[in-house]
Amino acid sequence: GESVGLHLPTLSVQEGDNSIINCAYSNSASDYFIWYKQESGKGPQFIIDIRSNMDKRQGQRVTVLLNKTVKHLSLQIAATQPGDSAVYFCAENRISSNTGKLIFGQGTTLQVKP
Amino acid sequence: DTAVSQTPKYLVTQMGNDKSIKCEQNLGHDTMYWYKQDSKKFLKIMFSYNNKELIINETVPNRFSPKSPDKAHLNLHINSLELGDSAVYFCASSQDPQMINYGYTFGSGTRLTVV
Repeated sequence: GESVGLHLPTLSVQEGDNSIINCAYSNSASDYFIWYKQESGKGPQFIIDIRSNMDKRQGQRVTVLLNKTVKHLSLQIAATQPGDSAVYFCAENRISSNTGKLIFGQGTTLQVKP
Repeated sequence: DTAVSQTPKYLVTQMGNDKSIKCEQNLGHDTMYWYKQDSKKFLKIMFSYNNKELIINETVPNRFSPKSPDKAHLNLHINSLELGDSAVYFCASSQDPQMINYGYTFGSGTRLTVV
C-alpha cells in the first residue's frame, strides 16, 4: 500500500543535543517532500522541503536527508532547544492528473529536556 | 495579518446538529484544502478546491459539503453531526494545485467536539 510512516512516535532529547527524526515512504514516484512542525494548539508549520533530485538540504539548524534507494527521509535538528518541542510530520506530494495532495505520516513527538 | 484564518476555533455541539466552519486566506493562493486530524494526530485530506472548482474529493461521508464562493474562501458544512466527527479540522492553501513550492500554509484549526 501507499503510506508515509515515521519510525518512532516519541523522541526525547536533552537540550543542546542533536535530534534525528526519521520517516519512511512507500511511493517511489513521489518527488517532493516536506517536513512540518506542529506546536500544541496550532496548525502545522513548514520547516524545510526537498525534491527527489537532491539528497540533502540545509536550513537554519535543520537538515533534511533523502535516501531514494531505501525510500527514507530524515530531519536533523542541531542543538535542540525547548522551543523545538512539538510534533513533527513528514509529508510527500502525490501528483495525480496534474493535482497534488500532501500525504502525511503519523508524526513524531519531540520532547526536549532542560 | 493572519495568512489562513479559520472560524470558529472551538465548536461544541450535539449529535444530529448541522454546523459550518469558515476559512479565508489572504495569500493570493489559487488552491485551498480541508484536512481532518484525529485524536492520534493523523492528518488526512478531505477536499481541495482550485479557483472555486472542486479538484479533490476523498472518501468522505456526503454529510460533509465544502463550498468555495471565491478562491480566497473555503467553507465546510457538516450535516447530522456524529460522535466520530469529533476532530480538529484544518484549512490550508497552496500557490497552485501542483504545489511547486512550499507545500501548504495551514490555518490554526477548528476543534470540533460532538456530544
